[in-house]
Amino acid sequence: AQSVSQHNHHVILSEAASLELGCNYSYGGTVNLFWYVQYPGQHLQLLLKYFSGDPLVKGIKGFEAEFIKSKFSFNLRKPSVQWSDTAEYFCAVNARRGSGTYKYIFGTGTRLKVLA
Amino acid sequence: KAGVTQTPRYLIKTRGQQVTLSCSPISGHRSVSWYQQTPGQGLQFLFEYFSETQRNKGNFPGRFSGRQFSNSRSEMNVSTLELGDSALYLCASSLGGQANEKLFFGSGTQLSVL
Repeated sequence: AQSVSQHNHHVILSEAASLELGCNYSYGGTVNLFWYVQYPGQHLQLLLKYFSGDPLVKGIKGFEAEFIKSKFSFNLRKPSVQWSDTAEYFCAVNARRGSGTYKYIFGTGTRLKVLA
Repeated sequence: KAGVTQTPRYLIKTRGQQVTLSCSPISGHRSVSWYQQTPGQGLQFLFEYFSETQRNKGNFPGRFSGRQFSNSRSEMNVSTLELGDSALYLCASSLGGQANEKLFFGSGTQLSVL
């Protein structure tokens, strides 16, 4: 079955530190990859997505992610975090088996706390 | 354009009762998905509806059901509530035509089962 793994459940960083959140998926076919973010008290929103082309994608607020097909990974990065990046981050895969319909699968999320 | 609207925002029920949650998607969106969010479990996919038909289903028991109306609004029903059903239930909508579409989420319904 398709699955998405986020190995870091809680991350605490100081402002200006670099961030990398891991995401691995298990699916061999064509995948569409996403990172969503949930700021405190707000609804989930899209941070960035990859579906084809340049494997390094840039999103909002200085975030980027790299798709490495051979490693089934789509890690999220930011060179210098800010206090306002405190949020929960979800990796997601939208894929289908054969001629079936697409299904969105989310990881368990990573709670990031940035200390001012 | 109004966002995804979920009602009610909070619900408190007791074991054995049933509950109905409502979701109004963004105008023009034909796909509505439901997720259960609990700490440590992330978002667990419940089901997806597209043009009034269930297009996908997650691994939840039959106590969890849903439907979609002709105006794309969707309802989710949970019968015979259990303590473990306490969670934030999120609804998401999308146009429904492309695999690389992003989902637009509502604020969720926080269900507490006592």
